[in-house]
Order: sequence, then structure tokens, then C-alpha cells
Amino acid sequence: DADVTQTPRNRITKTGKRIMLECSQTKGHDRMYWYRQDPGLGLRLIYYSFDVKDINKGEISDGYSVSRQAQAKFSLSLESAIPNQTALYFCATSDLGEKLFFGSGTQLSVL
Amino acid sequence: GESVGLHLPTLSVQEGDNSIINCAYSNSASDYFIWYKQESGKGPQFIIDIRSNMDKRQGQRVTVLLNKTVKHLSLQIAATQPGDSAVYFCAENTGEGFQKLVFGTGTRLLVSP
Repeated sequence: DADVTQTPRNRITKTGKRIMLECSQTKGHDRMYWYRQDPGLGLRLIYYSFDVKDINKGEISDGYSVSRQAQAKFSLSLESAIPNQTALYFCATSDLGEKLFFGSGTQLSVL
Repeated sequence: GESVGLHLPTLSVQEGDNSIINCAYSNSASDYFIWYKQESGKGPQFIIDIRSNMDKRQGQRVTVLLNKTVKHLSLQIAATQPGDSAVYFCAENTGEGFQKLVFGTGTRLLVSP
């Protein structure tokens, strides 16, 4: 079983729709993150959370929101999706160090 | 090296060869570096890391070399196998904590049998 599980794996939606991407982990890590990956660009941080009561914006948080429902669950929402949010989204976890453990990703396409 | 635009640089090698993948990092104050491997359809997978107080670190079939003078990082893979085919990218920690982790765009490694 995967340690970091993302659902769905693929999603196609239309402009203006609300979308939620979910992430759950069995690694027991307190820290969870959402990144997006675009062709030709490195991974960019959207939001991160050090524990259930701690939520922080990353470098590209505009247009996104998150919810940390439990230590093991961290969801990413696009309140009103737009085409330039088409990307591959990754959830990651870590313990106290910088080493990140990634999920398999969600490919989102906004038409 | 790092990519420009949409096309990743590609390194093609024969099975059994040694591979060297390079990365130029941006910040002379970076104190931690990490290499990830990303196979098609999968998330990035940790390979090896190194702190700035070291020049070299070895793992199983992999070695990371750090040259702080020229801000250069390399990943050496010994006896490359077809299963090593993937995109490899480096990341640097430019400040305090993970949130300063800056990722490179990657190099595609193709291993021919």
C-alpha cells in the first residue's frame, strides 16, 4: 500500500468549477504539503501544514485553499478552476527534516 | 543540467555504463541538497541527499558530489540499469526549513538494453 495516497489520479473539469484534491498518508508524519508541477518548471509549493492547526501559504497559493482534516489528511481545493491551473499536483509529507515523501500525483486538466 | 523551456535535457546511456547527471544550483548559502527520481506516472522518489559540510556521499550504486566553489551538484549512477530510466532532479534548501526548498526542472535519463 502507498504511504501517501492521492485521489483522484486524473480529473478533467471546466472553468469555474470547484475541485477538491485529497491526500492521505500512513507515514505518521506531522508535516504535509501540496506542490504543483508544470512542464519545464520545478515543483512549486502551494500550501503546507506542520500540524492540524497550522496552515501556511507557499509561493503560489493564489486561487487555492487547503484543509487539514486530521494528521493524516490534507486536501487542496480550487474554488473556481481556471485553465492555467492545469498541472500535475503532488501531495508530500515529511517528518522534522527536509526529506519529502511524495504521492503519485493528480493530473488536473481545466478546460 | 537544468532545463530551459519545455524540453528536458536528456542523457542516453547503455545498460552497464556509468551515468552522471549534473545540476547547477542558485544560492551559495544553500546548506542541503537532495536528488529525486521521477518515473513516468509516479511521484518523485528520494535517492540521496548531502549537506554543505560534505563534498561526497555514497549510497547504493549512487554517489552525489558537491562542488560549492562553482555551485555544482552531480549524481553518479554506477552500472546503470533500464530501471534507472526516469527524470532526475535536484533540490536545494536555500534557507531555514523546508519552505526554502527550490527544485530544479530535471534531466531525463534513458537507458538502453
